[in-house]
Amino acid sequence: GAVVSQHPSWVICKSGTSVKIECRSLDFQATTMFWYRQFPKQSLMLMATSNEGSKATYEQGVEKDKFLINHASLTLSTLTVTSAHPEDSSFYICSVFSGKEKLFFGSGTQLSVL
Amino acid sequence: GQQVMQIPQYQHVQEGEDFTTYCNSSTTLSNIQWYKQRPGGHPVFLIQLVKSGEVKKQKRLTFQFGEAKKNSSLHITATQTTDVGTYFCAGPGAARQLTFGSGTQLTVLP
Repeated sequence: GAVVSQHPSWVICKSGTSVKIECRSLDFQATTMFWYRQFPKQSLMLMATSNEGSKATYEQGVEKDKFLINHASLTLSTLTVTSAHPEDSSFYICSVFSGKEKLFFGSGTQLSVL
Repeated sequence: GQQVMQIPQYQHVQEGEDFTTYCNSSTTLSNIQWYKQRPGGHPVFLIQLVKSGEVKKQKRLTFQFGEAKKNSSLHITATQTTDVGTYFCAGPGAARQLTFGSGTQLTVLP
């Protein structure tokens, strides 16, 4: 299956700063990647679909200017949380579809905004 | 929009007991997938069911897809402490994205 690397694993930042999270598909060319957010003891909520070479598609209620997504190559998508606030603290996780429609997830990034 | 619900939300069982989680979708699904997330970890794909009424087994795990392709279940026989985690079902949306169920958190008491 696809190997997905996500970095960093955790980050602590001050309120108002921006944080970039990288998601790499190591052995699979991914034209599409998905970004999910998970609050403690809750399910995974899709934030956006990252499309290689074009604009990301955001889910309803997700601010595109706050959560910037760049998918510049077939192996890398980045999510930047701009002007982070404590309510943005969450577990962010990227995923890639394999050729058989199943998702492979990165290890996730725990973001804590002070 | 599409909604996927799971029950129960939490389940505590004694080691050796059986466990079942149920998944219901508001829409008919082309397929349903199950994932397991260990505490502090990321979701890991378990299985995909495609056919109406399909039943698949993985050792002590039995997965079933309903006849109407709107519900599914996961049954674990004789739970072990290694089964601890949250089990999610997920169904595909119109744009290939997956909608995850609310999850069932399983605790196995030794």
